[in-house]
Amino acid sequence: RKEVEQDPGPFNVPEGATVAFNCTYSNSASQSFFWYRQDCRKEPKLLMSVYSSGNEDGRFTAQLNRASQYISLLIRDSKLSDSATYLCVCGQTGANNLFFGTGTRLTVIP
Amino acid sequence: DAGVTQSPTHLIKTRGQHVTLRCSPISGHKSVSWYQQVLGQGPQFIFQYYEKEERGRGNFPDRFSARQFPNYSSELNVNALLLGDSALYLCASSPGQVYGYTFGSGTRLTVV
Repeated sequence: RKEVEQDPGPFNVPEGATVAFNCTYSNSASQSFFWYRQDCRKEPKLLMSVYSSGNEDGRFTAQLNRASQYISLLIRDSKLSDSATYLCVCGQTGANNLFFGTGTRLTVIP
Repeated sequence: DAGVTQSPTHLIKTRGQHVTLRCSPISGHKSVSWYQQVLGQGPQFIFQYYEKEERGRGNFPDRFSARQFPNYSSELNVNALLLGDSALYLCASSPGQVYGYTFGSGTRLTVV
């Protein structure tokens, strides 16, 4: 079983739409959670960390549900520039690496 | 400020050959991690080095090796290349062991 599982999409949404991505993680020892954004043929870049209390950064909201072991990312008022692959990422206490999901591809359509 | 720099950016090798990829971390960062990203997949952890010592190793064969130098730069070596080694190889630096990752733009390796 993969450490992190995501729906690969693709998600095709019109500009201005709200879109939500979920991912699940298998290891209950996971302690740190992130969403990364990766543009085509570029490196992943940190979008936001995910905290137990949930957190918001502008149009982006991330939430963590430890009981169900899933993480979500909500994007409001989608922009064309939001088109990218969104990677769900988990880290475990004491481990020296991050576990990445396969990514969810988002295309925002004019 | 220079970010994480990787070289070369692209590389084509033949099966059975050896390859060395290089990474220079952000100034002041002591940790370098290597990841392999195959097309359509998320990055997979290969190695982490912190303060010049190996601190983590992913599920990769012994053909993969790495080291970190006194200036904290790092090399990833892959011997006896296979077609399946074709991927984007990403280097990430961080001030500590795991968090605060910044990725370099990667080396795209094609094995033919």
